[in-house]
Formats: sequence, C-alpha cells, structure tokens
Amino acid sequence: DSGVTQTPKHLITATGQRVTLRCSPRSGDLSVYWYQQSLDQGLQFLIQYYNGEERAKGNILERFSAQQFPDLHSELNLSSLELGDSALYFCASSGDGGDQETQYFGPGTRLLVL
Amino acid sequence: AQKITQTQPGMFVQEKEAVTLDCTYDTSDPSYGLFWYKQPSSGEMIFLIYQGSYDQQNATEGRYSLNFQKARKSANLVISASQLGDSAMYFCAMREGPTGTASKLTFGTGTRLQVTL
Repeated sequence: DSGVTQTPKHLITATGQRVTLRCSPRSGDLSVYWYQQSLDQGLQFLIQYYNGEERAKGNILERFSAQQFPDLHSELNLSSLELGDSALYFCASSGDGGDQETQYFGPGTRLLVL
Repeated sequence: AQKITQTQPGMFVQEKEAVTLDCTYDTSDPSYGLFWYKQPSSGEMIFLIYQGSYDQQNATEGRYSLNFQKARKSANLVISASQLGDSAMYFCAMREGPTGTASKLTFGTGTRLQVTL
C-alpha cells in the first residue's frame, strides 16, 4: 500500500459527460501529480500541484482541469468526454528533497467512455 | 528524441535466475533521477528503486539493483533470483532537475517480464 488513495477505482460513462477523479496524497506529501496511461500514448504526465498551487503542466487537454485543496487532496475533472479519454488515470504524491522526491502512485482510476 | 528508451517489449526468465531489463535515457540536464516501477496485472504502479545522477554507487533494494552507467546513459534494472511474482510490466522513468525540485516523471514504454517455472 503506497499510502495514496484514489476514488473511484472504476468509472464507466458516456461520451460528452463529465467526471471527477479524486486523490488523497500520502500524509505529509505536498506534491500531487496526475498521469494518464493509455495503450497508444503510454504513461503521460498531465499536471502537478504543490501545496495548492499549479506547478507544472504536461499534455493535459483543455477539457481537463485539476485542483488541489487546502487539505492537499486533489481532483481531476474531465469534461466533454470522448472515446479516446478511456484510460487508467494515476495520481502520485511526493515530498521534496532526497528520497522524499520519490513519487508514490495510487491504485488508479480506470475510466471507460462508451 | 525519446527521453527514456526501453528496447525490450517482452522478456522471459526462469524462476531463480537473474534478469536484466534495459533502459537508456537522454537528457542534457546534469542533475536528474532515474526510477524503476513495477506494474502487475492488477494495474498499480509500485516503486522499486531510485538512482540519482550524482550517486557514486549503484542503488540496491533487496533483489533489485540498478546498473547505472552514466557515460552510456543507461540505467538497467537487475532482478536477482526471479520469482513468479515478479511477472509484471516494468517501467523506467526519469526526473530532470536538481534534487530538491520535485518534478514530473518521463516514462519509457515498459518491458513485460514473464517468469517461468
């Protein structure tokens, strides 16, 4: 158990819909990262938050947005969903400095868009 | 150019044997970190081992060791005494930037390892 929790584990929805994925980082970790894993794109970095502020952005679509709340949990919002958004979405968390930089991953949310 | 290259899509190893999974990387940053993760069929990503670019010694964690050859830009994972439970997908990843700057990971395409009896 990495200490990172993600809900829900599975999500099935229809095209055009909007969903919210939730992540709670390990206790004490200030950084939260979101990654997407799909068959054609592999593992891709989406966005990073550090202590409530956006720190880095990767290949995140404009239809996707995220935020990190004062209690450090994070949500990834996916809207106007398309078939190609079907993927495994991971949240990871890390501290800062030395071994604390290791990113520990949650179990993932498997999203299926029909 | 690919930042992380894993050239072995699949590997087989017999139980109790050692296996090496290859990883080469490309960066112009003098400070970086290299990671290996394991992804079993259940889907979770499990951290295995970390090597910093300035570390003088190869990292080891139990049966896992990282063969770090900086000049060749390679960071191969060695699993000793393979077990059936080692059957999984293995990803090499890199963090660029100095230690202390928590930043994104760039992943390779992975190597699927199958341990046989």
